[in-house]
Amino acid sequence: KQEVTQIPAALSVPEGENLVLNCSFTDSAIYNLQWFRQDPGKGLTSLLLIQSSQREQTSGRLNASLDKSSGRSTLYIAASQPGDSATYLCAVRRNDYKLSFGAGTTVTVRA
Amino acid sequence: DADVTQTPRNRITKTGKRIMLECSQTKGHDRMYWYRQDPGLGLQLIYYSFDVKDINKGEISDGYSVSRQAQAKFSLSLESAIPNQTALYFCATSDGPLSTDTQYFGPGTRLTVL
Repeated sequence: KQEVTQIPAALSVPEGENLVLNCSFTDSAIYNLQWFRQDPGKGLTSLLLIQSSQREQTSGRLNASLDKSSGRSTLYIAASQPGDSATYLCAVRRNDYKLSFGAGTTVTVRA
Repeated sequence: DADVTQTPRNRITKTGKRIMLECSQTKGHDRMYWYRQDPGLGLQLIYYSFDVKDINKGEISDGYSVSRQAQAKFSLSLESAIPNQTALYFCATSDGPLSTDTQYFGPGTRLTVL
């Protein structure tokens, strides 16, 4: 069974600091890995999807890396803003359409 | 309007009651999913459906049932609710090839079973 772990569970940083969120998974045979953002009352929104053949993906201030062999992904958010406060979840897909989720990292960006 | 809607958004019920949570989507996707989220845990898959005639159990289907009434509608039922089913429930849809498949989530239903 795929186990997905996110550390730390919570993170508080001052505005402007770069954020580094970690995700690890136990089975390296994945099709892709996704990072989601969860806001209270609004469900989950997909941020980035990295295919198994890729090493990283970028979207604006967000950059996600993937190291399949070590079972790790990192989400970097540059120059954090209060609007980045949310819970960030990673999810991995194996050889079907089901996702295995981590428990998430709750981020607070202090103004 | 939201692409994936869930009703109700909040529900408080009593042990033993039958509850139905509904999900509708306007994205035209064939694949639909039901998840539950508990504090400190990742989302767990309850049931999923790849088309109207295809229903599959997920990781934690015991105590739950589903109905796919149409491509756009996927309902989750708790036949006899119990307190440990108190959780946040999400519906999601997806489409596209496996390598780039992205799931789109509804806003969630917060269910409390007393």
